[in-house]
Amino acid sequence: DGGITQSPKYLFRKEGQNVTLSCEQNLNHDAMYWYRQDPGQGLRLIYYSQIVNDFQKGDIAEGYSVSREKKESFPLTVTSAQKNPTAFYLCASSTPNRGRGGTEAFFGQGTRLTVV
Amino acid sequence: AQKVTQAQTEISVVEKEDVTLDCVYETRDTTYYLFWYKQPPSGELVFLIRRNSFDEQNEISGRYSWNFQKSTSSFNFTITASQVVDSAVYFCALYTPGANSKLTFGKGITLSVRP
Repeated sequence: DGGITQSPKYLFRKEGQNVTLSCEQNLNHDAMYWYRQDPGQGLRLIYYSQIVNDFQKGDIAEGYSVSREKKESFPLTVTSAQKNPTAFYLCASSTPNRGRGGTEAFFGQGTRLTVV
Repeated sequence: AQKVTQAQTEISVVEKEDVTLDCVYETRDTTYYLFWYKQPPSGELVFLIRRNSFDEQNEISGRYSWNFQKSTSSFNFTITASQVVDSAVYFCALYTPGANSKLTFGKGITLSVRP
């Protein structure tokens, strides 16, 4: 089945450590996104990538880094510079679907990161 | 810049009541797409509907209906005869294609349907 896989589902990190969240898609989508969700804040865009080897900062990129070496993979690293990393992280992918007149984003199941 | 505003943060209704979730958007682009997503307690976002800027027809899907009005930049979502399973967080989102296209979400509306 086509879809997006995020791993792990739950992740615990000690203060001062870097940690990498995985996002893999087999939908052959060009664009991929990372969002952070905090209670009452909705979804905020961290980074996004329209094509391989290219990515742009979103609204809250500080303390995060990404890479896009392969079309199907868009890992997110939460660095020690991110002062408040405890949150729910969602990965998404999309591609223009001209036959249906638009684009649609597909989401993974999310990773809940907790700093201990 | 683009923006999505969901002014309602929490709504609580009794089962079988109708409920409307509001969404107001801002964009300078003439071509754009609007979405509604549902996020149940499990966390995964579930796609509900997509509407492009050139199609102002309202849509009905079972108990769900959507009212798109470009004149007021609104894309409201109505659930008729609500059920407990409708309890979730609902997000409205805006996508504008182009060199730096991205999905912008509202803050979400938490809907609680009581038996």
